[in-house]
Amino acid sequence: QVKLLQSGAALVKPGDSVKMSCKASGYTFTDYIIHWVKQSHGKSLEWIGYINPYSGGTNYNEKFKSKATLTVDKSSSTAYMEFSRLTSEDSAIYYCARWIGGFDYWGQGVMVTVSS
Amino acid sequence: DIQMTQSPPVLSASVGDRVTLSCKASQNINKNLDWYQQKHGEAPKLLIYYTNNLQTGIPSRFSGSGSGTDYTLTISSLQPEDVATYYCYQYNSGPTFGAGTKLELK
Repeated sequence: QVKLLQSGAALVKPGDSVKMSCKASGYTFTDYIIHWVKQSHGKSLEWIGYINPYSGGTNYNEKFKSKATLTVDKSSSTAYMEFSRLTSEDSAIYYCARWIGGFDYWGQGVMVTVSS
Repeated sequence: DIQMTQSPPVLSASVGDRVTLSCKASQNINKNLDWYQQKHGEAPKLLIYYTNNLQTGIPSRFSGSGSGTDYTLTISSLQPEDVATYYCYQYNSGPTFGAGTKLELK
């Protein structure tokens, strides 16, 4: 069955970067675009961007363009998101999700806490 | 950016009630809208895609409708397991989510 398994929670210091992973299984990784979504504590969802695993092409929300970098490793069917220059505003849960015209499968989420 | 306004923010209803959740876009989104259900501590779940298409495995009591700027999610007979927050998501341009409607049992 389709699964998106994300890396574990991260505690990072302000100014640092964090790189999280999203390992896909149960389908052909390069057939579907992977999106990333942020959910701040108790708040709504924000679309960060997406990556096409086949071509490596990306598209970002302007708000996150200088903050997030999306990559993939086709050999391991894994998508990555690196978030840089972290501040307290970046403390949140980050989800990856597969797009089929809707987000039909989601990872379990990565909780990132930015604290000194 | 397209703004998505969901109403009401909180809705209390009884088991068996017909429930209607609204999502209004700041401009025409050409039916490019999905609905998601999120229960506490879980990832969102796709209910409806492209305005009115029921995702596989979702109970038929859920339905979606709308066009232009106005969209609706309807639950025909509310069940206890439907307690959750519901989000609309437009992908017509510069994808955005609504702020959510929290559905509670009365």
